[in-house]
Amino acid sequence: QLQLQESGPGLVKPSETLSLTCTVSGGSISSSSYYWGWIRQPPGKGLEWIGSIYYSGSTYYNPSLKSRVTISVDTSKNQFSLKLSSVTAADTAVYYCARHREDCSGGSCDNWFDPWGQGTLVTVSS
Amino acid sequence: SYELTQPPSVSVSPGQTARITCSGDALPKQYAYWYQQKPGQAPVLVIYKDSERPSGIPERFSGSSSGTTVTLTISGVQAEDEADYYCQSADSSGTYPLYVFGTGTKVTVL
Repeated sequence: QLQLQESGPGLVKPSETLSLTCTVSGGSISSSSYYWGWIRQPPGKGLEWIGSIYYSGSTYYNPSLKSRVTISVDTSKNQFSLKLSSVTAADTAVYYCARHREDCSGGSCDNWFDPWGQGTLVTVSS
Repeated sequence: SYELTQPPSVSVSPGQTARITCSGDALPKQYAYWYQQKPGQAPVLVIYKDSERPSGIPERFSGSSSGTTVTLTISGVQAEDEADYYCQSADSSGTYPLYVFGTGTKVTVL
């Protein structure tokens, strides 16, 4: 059974860089048809896709965050990571990692997230 | 930017049927996906590709699509179904895809 686990600091100072790692167990991060994604949820609010990465290193980012986001992958450790720079209080959220399934046929692709990690709360505060 | 609109809340009595809608301009061209999120827990996929049910998801969960609106139906609602529900789809109109979640609907079992 595939499992994902987020790890990283729970408190980050304003203007600094948020760094999180997601460790995948029960399956290989190098599997075809799967990207690996980050999604966040501010307290009491909805979900926002941050970005996704393929095991080859190919990435897609949410345009609203693209200038501050870097997602990387380490296949030897079965991990992928998120860096979000110049954080403010608005970046306070529960950050989830998830397997991002891409299913392409007939010239189009369908994308969804399953399963998800348990999430980790990151608070931006001095 | 692309938006998926859901009603903020739906209330239903046990054993009745709950219907949650999600509206978006691109839904006629893109599949929708539904996630259940219970308090303090991560989202769980309950419907994919508009109407497919992942293994392990009870049969009382079903999905449908009509034009710019997709609907998640929970038949014979149980107390354990009380949760937030989010739809998700994609906006492929730009250079790169954008994956978007709906505004979320809180289902209350009376």
